[in-house]
Amino acid sequence: GQNIDQPTEMTATEGAIVQINCTYQTSGFNGLFWYQQHAGEAPTFLSYNVLDGLEEKGRFSSFLSRSKGYSYLLLKELQMKDSASYLCAAVSGSARQLTFGSGTQLTVLP
Amino acid sequence: ETGVTQTPRHLVMGMTNKKSLKCEQHLGHNAMYWYKQSAKKPLELMFVYNFKEQTENNSVPSRFSPECPNSSHLFLHLHTLQPEDSALYLCASSHPGQHTDTQYFGPGTRLTVL
Repeated sequence: GQNIDQPTEMTATEGAIVQINCTYQTSGFNGLFWYQQHAGEAPTFLSYNVLDGLEEKGRFSSFLSRSKGYSYLLLKELQMKDSASYLCAAVSGSARQLTFGSGTQLTVLP
Repeated sequence: ETGVTQTPRHLVMGMTNKKSLKCEQHLGHNAMYWYKQSAKKPLELMFVYNFKEQTENNSVPSRFSPECPNSSHLFLHLHTLQPEDSALYLCASSHPGQHTDTQYFGPGTRLTVL
């Protein structure tokens, strides 16, 4: 079966760094996505990792370890607008379907 | 971001009503998806269409009926729903065959079944 685990909630302070972890168990793993979803809005694409290692994109970075079934999203220089739910999703199978975690609700405090 | 639009944004319906959700994508994609998002639960894939052909139905009850008349439009017809069907229904599209095959989401329809 497919299983994605990520923390339900996290809190951090404006200007700080936060790391959101995601572990997955999927058959036919092809890659891992991170999405950001503000309340009442569409999930928006943040990053995609298919190879092991760190992908950096501005204040956001994403890491993947295929051997450990583990990924994290790193947010630097946190801003209030980063308060949102962060969704981890694993791609699997020839149909490349996404299996989502429940999301991590991040609250950035002043 | 207006790549994927959904209407209506909010819908309240009784269990005996018939209604339809609409999704339109302006990204030139060939695959479209319906997801259900309930509070505190992962997004659940409901249906997948590739080039207007349904390729996935994840054991969705027959009271949900999808329709894909062309690659840009996707509908979800609702009939005799239950209160537990209340959720956010998200549409997404992608371009299969591209390396990342990223799915782009619409803003969703917040459905309440009374």
